[in-house]
Amino acid sequence: NAGVMQNPRHLVRRRGQEARLRCSPMKGHSHVYWYRQLPEEGLKFMVYLQKENIIDESGMPKERFSAEFPKEGPSILRIQQVVRGDSAAYFCASSRTGGNGYTFGSGTRLTVV
Amino acid sequence: ELKVEQNPLFLSMQEGKNYTIYCNYSTTSDRLYWYRQDPGKSLESLFVLLSNGAVKQEGRLMASLDTKARLSTLHITAAVHDLSATYFCAVDRGMYSGGGADGLTFGKGTHLIIQP
Repeated sequence: NAGVMQNPRHLVRRRGQEARLRCSPMKGHSHVYWYRQLPEEGLKFMVYLQKENIIDESGMPKERFSAEFPKEGPSILRIQQVVRGDSAAYFCASSRTGGNGYTFGSGTRLTVV
Repeated sequence: ELKVEQNPLFLSMQEGKNYTIYCNYSTTSDRLYWYRQDPGKSLESLFVLLSNGAVKQEGRLMASLDTKARLSTLHITAAVHDLSATYFCAVDRGMYSGGGADGLTFGKGTHLIIQP
């Protein structure tokens, strides 16, 4: 009974490259959320998705960042033309409809060099 | 905009002592979450508080929720070194389904160090 699976665990990108972070929600969960955690900070909401729909992307930077949750496959958070300030831990969480909690993945730690 | 404020942000205490972490939030909500995070790790769910007056206990940790005061507390009893971690409170954003699973707004976290 796997939990929320994120990969890769660690990702190193050079400035200007693209980063793709993947998240498979827990079985039975249809809601996915992405958060960013800067060093020594709390988690900041980025985007809330359901299958094939972006419900709320109010926390996403307007440029370079995008997210999707296709009908088949994991949710993807994509960061184009990465900059040093994008270095952070990115966590994915999932929940089920009507549920009372969220399950978090182990996170992807992105380092931009 | 929903704000969640924790205090203290940093706490160093000795084993065996008691202490309380406070979490204030700025909008009406009856769902509050406490998480623990160890360095470099993910978030571990500690408590989900779903109604006014809710109190939950697990081991040396006890959490309570007062929705009228918009305040939750996490109380540590007779602290032990293994409880050293960062503790976050979070509140449902509740923007779409009246408090449903719409994602969380987190406090900045309380870095707790328990010394022998």
